[in-house]
Amino acid sequence: QVQLQESGPGLVKPSQTLSLTCTVSGGSISSEGYYWSWIRQHPGKGLEWIGYISYSGNTNYNPSLESRVTMSIDTSKNQVSLKLSSVTAADTAVYYCARDRYDSGWMYYFDYWGQGTLVTVPS
Amino acid sequence: SSELTQDPAVSVALGQTVKITCQGDSLRRYYASWYQQKPGQAPVLVVYGENNRPSGIPDRFSGSSSGNTASLTFTGTQAEDEADYYCSSRAGADHHVLFGGGTKLTVL
Repeated sequence: QVQLQESGPGLVKPSQTLSLTCTVSGGSISSEGYYWSWIRQHPGKGLEWIGYISYSGNTNYNPSLESRVTMSIDTSKNQVSLKLSSVTAADTAVYYCARDRYDSGWMYYFDYWGQGTLVTVPS
Repeated sequence: SSELTQDPAVSVALGQTVKITCQGDSLRRYYASWYQQKPGQAPVLVVYGENNRPSGIPDRFSGSSSGNTASLTFTGTQAEDEADYYCSSRAGADHHVLFGGGTKLTVL
């Protein structure tokens, strides 16, 4: 059973960089057929995709966040990481990592999710 | 347009059938996937592709698609189905990910 676990500071000061790590267990992060996504959810709101990274390190970011986002992958540790720079109170959210599986060129889905971690940026 | 539209709220009587929908141009090319989220919990995949359910998801959940609209149907809705439901798909040649705004399903 694949499990994902997010970790990182729960409180980040304005203008600083938010850094989170997602540790994957029960499966290899290097397997083909998967991307690794970060998704966030503002309090009481819907889901917002931040971006994804492939096992080979190719990235794809939400255009609205692209200028501030960096994702990386460490296959030796089975981890993916997220960095979001110049944070403001608007970045306060629960951050999820999720395995993004693709079975064909037109079928993609998030089959495993971490439990999420709340990151607060005080105003 | 590069967005997915869902009705904000839908209600259904216990044991009845209800369909929630997701509309967007991206659905003409990409299948939708559907996620259930209960308060304080992470989303859970319930339906993906043409009409596939992960192991452990009851068969009262089913998916369908036509044109620019994907649907998630609950046949014989149970009290535990009360939750928020989100659709998702890829969009465009950039393969960006879209989420619908979510539908809050209330079981009466």
